[in-house]
Amino acid sequence: DADVTQTPRNRITKTGKRIMLECSQTKGHDRMYWYRQDPGLGLRLIYYSFDVKDINKGEISDGYSVSRQAQAKFSLSLESAIPNQTALYFCATSDGTGGITDTQYFGPGTRLTVL
Amino acid sequence: GQQVMQIPQYQHVQEGEDFTTYCNSSTTLSNIQWYKQRPGGHPVFLIQLVKSGEVKKQKRLTFQFGEAKKNSSLHITATQTTDVGTYFCAGYSGYSTLTFGKGTMLLVSP
Repeated sequence: DADVTQTPRNRITKTGKRIMLECSQTKGHDRMYWYRQDPGLGLRLIYYSFDVKDINKGEISDGYSVSRQAQAKFSLSLESAIPNQTALYFCATSDGTGGITDTQYFGPGTRLTVL
Repeated sequence: GQQVMQIPQYQHVQEGEDFTTYCNSSTTLSNIQWYKQRPGGHPVFLIQLVKSGEVKKQKRLTFQFGEAKKNSSLHITATQTTDVGTYFCAGYSGYSTLTFGKGTMLLVSP
């Protein structure tokens, strides 16, 4: 969905480097999420934010941090990248008005390789 | 924590054959959502089921939500090559975020 953009789309980095993945959205949604996808493991939630002042850990937050700079921007950082963080990373948004029927809109993904 | 299990992990069919993927939750779900991810793409929302025993159809796709709201299925009739991709179920069960299944990868040979 073009309303959710991620930069960079591909990144190769070395072990120990700090790296930031960025997500921007023009959908006007309050809720934003970072997921990691590995083959055979599906989508696992790293962090989520329900508004600018709200940050929550997901299932696999160790080794990651996030920043919600504005309603439209949500960044994911790897403080010291390691090879097992090689994965496809997705940002997603939802408007939060649906309650339990809240659906998510995903960005195009960032493929990260840590050597 | 909540777990959502999906089977099979992978299925390869000939074009025209039917396909079904099943989703089972360890807890009762408030709702179930289905997403499709094309190869090289991102997950895209397909449909949502909320009511116990609910059945919804989208052309050749039939979605069901179990009576106990702990399982769901997606059935594709007469698959086409355009159906290729990974299908994910995801549900809410009192937690504030969706829990995704691991997905079923569908390959369709012409």
